[in-house]
Amino acid sequence: EVQLVESGGGLVQPGGSLRLSCAASGFTFSSYNMHWVRQAPGKGLVWVSRINSDESDTTYADSVKGRFTISRDNAKNTLYLQMNSLRAEDTAVYYCARHGVPAGFDYWGQGTLVTVSS
Amino acid sequence: QSALTQAPSASGSPGQSVTISCTGTSSDVGGYNYVSWYQQHPGKAPKLMIYEVSKRPSGVPDRFSGSKSGNTASLTVSGLQAEDEADYYCSSYAGSNTYVFGTGTKVTVL
Repeated sequence: EVQLVESGGGLVQPGGSLRLSCAASGFTFSSYNMHWVRQAPGKGLVWVSRINSDESDTTYADSVKGRFTISRDNAKNTLYLQMNSLRAEDTAVYYCARHGVPAGFDYWGQGTLVTVSS
Repeated sequence: QSALTQAPSASGSPGQSVTISCTGTSSDVGGYNYVSWYQQHPGKAPKLMIYEVSKRPSGVPDRFSGSKSGNTASLTVSGLQAEDEADYYCSSYAGSNTYVFGTGTKVTVL
C-alpha cells in the first residue's frame, strides 16, 4: 500500500525556518518525481515545488522561489521541503504528492500544518 | 502562474449531472493535454479523479468524465450521489515542469 506521511509542521515566527519531511512507503520511491502542494486555511490548492526522481532537477512556484528548497533522500525514501524566510502568507497545510501519472498526482499524504505567526 | 478559473459552486439533485469548468490560457490548459481533476472532502487529502484530460484511475467510478476544448477543461459527474458532495480542483501542466491548480468548485448534492 502506498503511503506518504508528512511531518515537521508547527508554529514559526515570521522570518523563521522550518523543514518538512515526507516519508514514503509501499512503492519504489526513487522511481517517481515528487511534489509539494499547499492549502491555506479555507482556501484552494497551490502547487509549490517539484523534484525529479534522481534529484537532478527542481522547480518552484514564483511565490516560494529563492526561499524554499525541495530535496530528497532516495536511500531513506524521504522527501523534504526546507522553508526559509517564512511569511504569514505561507501559513497552510502542506501536502506531499506522488507524480504517478502523466502530469497528475496520484497519491497524497495527509498533510502537515505550518503556521507563521508572531 | 495565475490560478485556473473555476466557478465557486455547483449543485444538482441525486441522479442528475453536474459539470464543472476550468478555464486557463494557451500556456497551460490550452497548450497541453495534461489536465487533471481532484476531489477533496472536508479535512481530507485530495484524491485524483481524472488525468490527461479524460483518463480515470482505477477505482474511480465511470460517472466521472473529463473533456477539454481550447483553454477550458470540464469535469462531469453523472448520476450524482451524496458522497460526491465535495470540493473539486482542476490542475494543469504549465510548462517548464511547473503546474497550476484551479480555484476550486464546491459541489453540493441537493
